Amino acid sequence: GAVVSQHPSRVICKSGTSVKIECRSLDFQATTMFWYRQFPKQSLMLMATSNEGSKATYEQGVEKDKFLINHASLTLSTLTVTSAHPEDSSFYICSASIPGNQPQHFGDGTRLSIL
Amino acid sequence: DAKTTQPNSMESNEEEPVHLPCNHSTISGTDYIHWYRQLPSQGPEYVIHGLTSNVNNRMASLAIAEDRKSSTLILHRATLRDAAVYYCILRDRQGGSEKLVFGKGTKLTVNP
Repeated sequence: GAVVSQHPSRVICKSGTSVKIECRSLDFQATTMFWYRQFPKQSLMLMATSNEGSKATYEQGVEKDKFLINHASLTLSTLTVTSAHPEDSSFYICSASIPGNQPQHFGDGTRLSIL
Repeated sequence: DAKTTQPNSMESNEEEPVHLPCNHSTISGTDYIHWYRQLPSQGPEYVIHGLTSNVNNRMASLAIAEDRKSSTLILHRATLRDAAVYYCILRDRQGGSEKLVFGKGTKLTVNP
């Protein structure tokens, strides 16, 4: 079945560092990918919709200059957390789907810890 | 976004059937009902989806009420690996978007 690969699985870094997370669709082309954030014991919160070849669409309250999204190809979207601070520590998850009423396929997530 | 209501938690015994309910009284005519589950420290996993008719796949069955205001995910024989948070989601198709909006879901505990 369709697989989405997310890398890295875990990042620990110092405050002020920028961190890039990659999301790849391995066996299908994804014109749209989604980025979520999940805090402990909470549900997934959609951050933004990543559109291949165009600007991402951010959900209300998500800073686009803080969370940079690039979707330069049909198989790769990246999320960069710029100048990360401890409050950005979270579980970041991406997903992608084939257009039409198809299921979304999720990556295994990236656990980001900012010291 | 049309919303869903699920119990916060449920408990089951291994090898017994599990019925996970979901209420979605504000569902629109073109909303599909999707179910995903999330195991600890993993991304969500697709389980099943449907529109009006009941659906079966290798993982589960989905029973949809005739008025579509509720649905039930059925795991026919729960295993310890089925312990997860189960999310019932109405697929948001407004403006062509296919984004998923997650609620709190139901945490399923499976006892050996």
